Amino acid sequence: GQSLEQPSEVTAVEGAIVQINCTYQTSGFYGLSWYQQHDGGAPTFLSYNALDGLEETGRFSSFLSRSDSYGYLLLQELQMKDSASYFCAFNTNAGKSTFGDGTTLTVKP
Amino acid sequence: NAGVTQTPKFRILKIGQSMTLQCTQDMNHNYMYWYRQDPGMGLKLIYYSVGAGITDKGEVPNGYNVSRSTTEDFPLRLELAAPSQTSVYFCASSNLKGQTYEQYFGPGTRLTVT
Repeated sequence: GQSLEQPSEVTAVEGAIVQINCTYQTSGFYGLSWYQQHDGGAPTFLSYNALDGLEETGRFSSFLSRSDSYGYLLLQELQMKDSASYFCAFNTNAGKSTFGDGTTLTVKP
Repeated sequence: NAGVTQTPKFRILKIGQSMTLQCTQDMNHNYMYWYRQDPGMGLKLIYYSVGAGITDKGEVPNGYNVSRSTTEDFPLRLELAAPSQTSVYFCASSNLKGQTYEQYFGPGTRLTVT
């Protein structure tokens, strides 16, 4: 079957670094995405990995290991506005997209 | 560009009624998706389309239908609404650009079935 697993909640303090892990199971894997969603809003795209390795976009980085079916999102220099839900999602080569259940990040002062 | 637009923003339906959720994108994207999101949960794929005239089922297609007659529009039809279809519905579109598969989401439709 197809599935993703990520932690349900993570808490960290302002200025810290936090890592949100994601493991997946699927056939026809094409790439892994990360999205941020604030309460009441629509998901917004953060990062995408099609190849193994690290992608860096400002304070956010994402990593993928295709052999381990594993990825993570790294958030540095946490700010209060980073409190949100974070979703990993994979695409298959048929265009289908599957999302995880999300990780709620709470940033404390 | 307006991006992805959805109408209506809110709707209350009675059990057994039908309705169509509209979704339009102006980015000339080939791929379009319909998701539902229940409170505190992730997004579940209802239907998706890889181009005009092509649609396919996602994880939770029962009770829904779609069509894709143009690149821009991807309406979602609910027949015989049930309380279990109370949810927030998001439409999204994407293209494969290089190695990136970014999805752009509409603002969502909040549907209550009573």
